Amino acid sequence: AQSVTQLGSHVSVSEGALVLLRCNYSSSVPPYLFWYVQYPNQGLQLLLKYTSAATLVKGINDFEAEFKKSETSFHLTKPSAHMSDAAEYFCAVSGYSGGYNKLIFGAGTRLAVHP
Amino acid sequence: DTEVTQTPKHLVMGMTNKKSLKCEQHMGHRAMYWYKQKAKKPPELMFVYSYEKLSINESVPSRFSPECPNSSLLNLHLHALQPEDSALYLCASSQESGEQYEQYFGPGTRLTVT
Repeated sequence: AQSVTQLGSHVSVSEGALVLLRCNYSSSVPPYLFWYVQYPNQGLQLLLKYTSAATLVKGINDFEAEFKKSETSFHLTKPSAHMSDAAEYFCAVSGYSGGYNKLIFGAGTRLAVHP
Repeated sequence: DTEVTQTPKHLVMGMTNKKSLKCEQHMGHRAMYWYKQKAKKPPELMFVYSYEKLSINESVPSRFSPECPNSSLLNLHLHALQPEDSALYLCASSQESGEQYEQYFGPGTRLTVT
């Protein structure tokens, strides 16, 4: 069965610093992977998705993620953090669980950005 | 346009009330979803509709009753809820229900059961 592990429930960076949010997946088949962001009191917004077309995926707001099969990782990065990036980030794999397809979310990582 | 709308934004209801949550999308998507999200947790899948038919019910209590009147609308009828049902209820849609299709989420309805 597919699963996702997000390393670090809280990450804190300074404004302008590199953002690195870690996600490792478990899947017996080539996975479809997604990163979502959730701002306070809002729904989830899709940042980017991996569908095997390219290992480096570019998303919105200068975020990108690199799929590394050998490391079963799909870490999210952004070169320079903005205050507005403070939010909860969820990594998810689309897979079969209980006999049907569903999005399987990681526990989430809360990103704090300090001036 | 990748917008999913949800109404109401906030809802407070007593344990004996009956209320409904509404979700709408105009992207031509054929799969729609209801999720429940508790604070500091990821969303939990409740129901999936594919081509207006209920395809997945994640063992949700019968006090939650979904309805898909047409391909653009999804309702969640609530009756005799418990305080532990207080949560953010999220609606989502995707082009189809297959694993390669990304889901687009609405802003959610914040439900408080008193």
